[in-house]
Amino acid sequence: DAEITQSPRHKITETGRQVTLACHQTWNHNNMFWYRQDLGHGLRLIHYSYGVQDTNKGEVSDGYSVSRSNTEDLPLTLESAASSQTSVYFCASSDSGREFNEQFFGPGTRLTVL
Amino acid sequence: AQSVSQHNHHVILSEAASLELGCNYSYGGTVNLFWYVQYPGQHLQLLLKYFSGDPLVKGIKGFEAEFIKSKFSFNLRKPSVQWSDTAEYFCAVENRDDKIIFGKGTRLHILP
Repeated sequence: DAEITQSPRHKITETGRQVTLACHQTWNHNNMFWYRQDLGHGLRLIHYSYGVQDTNKGEVSDGYSVSRSNTEDLPLTLESAASSQTSVYFCASSDSGREFNEQFFGPGTRLTVL
Repeated sequence: AQSVSQHNHHVILSEAASLELGCNYSYGGTVNLFWYVQYPGQHLQLLLKYFSGDPLVKGIKGFEAEFIKSKFSFNLRKPSVQWSDTAEYFCAVENRDDKIIFGKGTRLHILP
């Protein structure tokens, strides 16, 4: 069955370190998204991609970067982790070229920055 | 800017009570509407969606939602909740850019 996976599921790191969160989908979806979920803020869009070599900034993109070298993967990099980036991160993907696009979510990565 | 508002941040109900969670959005164009649910410790799952046609949409687990275009609303309802409905519920709006904007969520706690 097609799925979307994230790794690691839990990560503890220190302030200033570079961290990369992986997202892999086997739906063959063109669209991929990264969100962070924080209490009182719901889900906020960090970055998104509509296809290979395409990346776009979302609502809260500062301090994050993504790259899309293939259809299946959209890794999220925190260049220099900050305590404010402690959060739960969700990756999602959706099809394109359809009338509506349900997003399928990964299981999430809980990141703690000390 | 496009936004989604969920009126209730935290709702507590007893089993068998009726549920209605409010959702309003601000976007003048054609939209697709969703309700997602996140059970404790799990990732988001689609509960129901509205694309076009009948404004009353039925989803899984007895949930339904009504799209009222004139009110920019997409409220979620269930006539009789169960303890297993304890979860966080997110309303979401998709515009033509394929981006989905989520509301801040409503935490629903059902008392047994």
